[in-house]
Amino acid sequence: GAGVSQSPRYKVAKRGQDVALRCDPISGHVSLFWYQQALGQGPEFLTYFQNEAQLDKSGLPSDRFFAERPEGSVSTLKIQRTQQEDSAVYLCASSLTNGILNEKLFFGSGTQLSVL
Amino acid sequence: AQSVTQLGSHVSVSEGALVLLRCNYSSSVPPYLFWYVQYPNQGLQLLLKYTSAATLVKGINDFEAEFKKSETSFHLTKPSAHMSDAAEYFCAVSNSGGSNYKLTFGKGTLLTVNP
Repeated sequence: GAGVSQSPRYKVAKRGQDVALRCDPISGHVSLFWYQQALGQGPEFLTYFQNEAQLDKSGLPSDRFFAERPEGSVSTLKIQRTQQEDSAVYLCASSLTNGILNEKLFFGSGTQLSVL
Repeated sequence: AQSVTQLGSHVSVSEGALVLLRCNYSSSVPPYLFWYVQYPNQGLQLLLKYTSAATLVKGINDFEAEFKKSETSFHLTKPSAHMSDAAEYFCAVSNSGGSNYKLTFGKGTLLTVNP
């Protein structure tokens, strides 16, 4: 596709429900990132994939959060037993190779999750 | 640990006026610094980045930023604001160590441009 695509664009969940957020990176991009952006805050790093390998998951807030990228392309961020504090915009980004310093990072428009 | 402070959550300028968005960073190792812009309902877009080459960095749409180590600053400027510059701007820092792929963002500055 032309850019990083995220779905759904909006998700409303009742507290305790499980949700799955999808990211389609730019075709051929090796690196994929997830960030969480709470209202009025900057994005915060959640996790990083290089192809199908999850190299860093240090930013995941709790064991209710799980991310995967089984075939090295599409990624899914799953949140189990959602809580109100999980309400945020979840951003996905990808880059062509294994870094961001000498190349461009492309962000999707995000999924806005509201937990009631 | 690294952090970014953006002074002013909201900046308002007139069309044609100078734009100055402030960013100060804290990093224990030489930093890499970025400015991103977020238009409504769009993804973050890279404006410019500093990766230890020239301290004055030029980006898209006539934006530029200067890395000042002594002041730990990386302020974003544009000589003349356009209406289309209205957006939220984020400063971010990465480091030169092993986790240089990880960005730490500031809280953002919302730029309003008045006609």
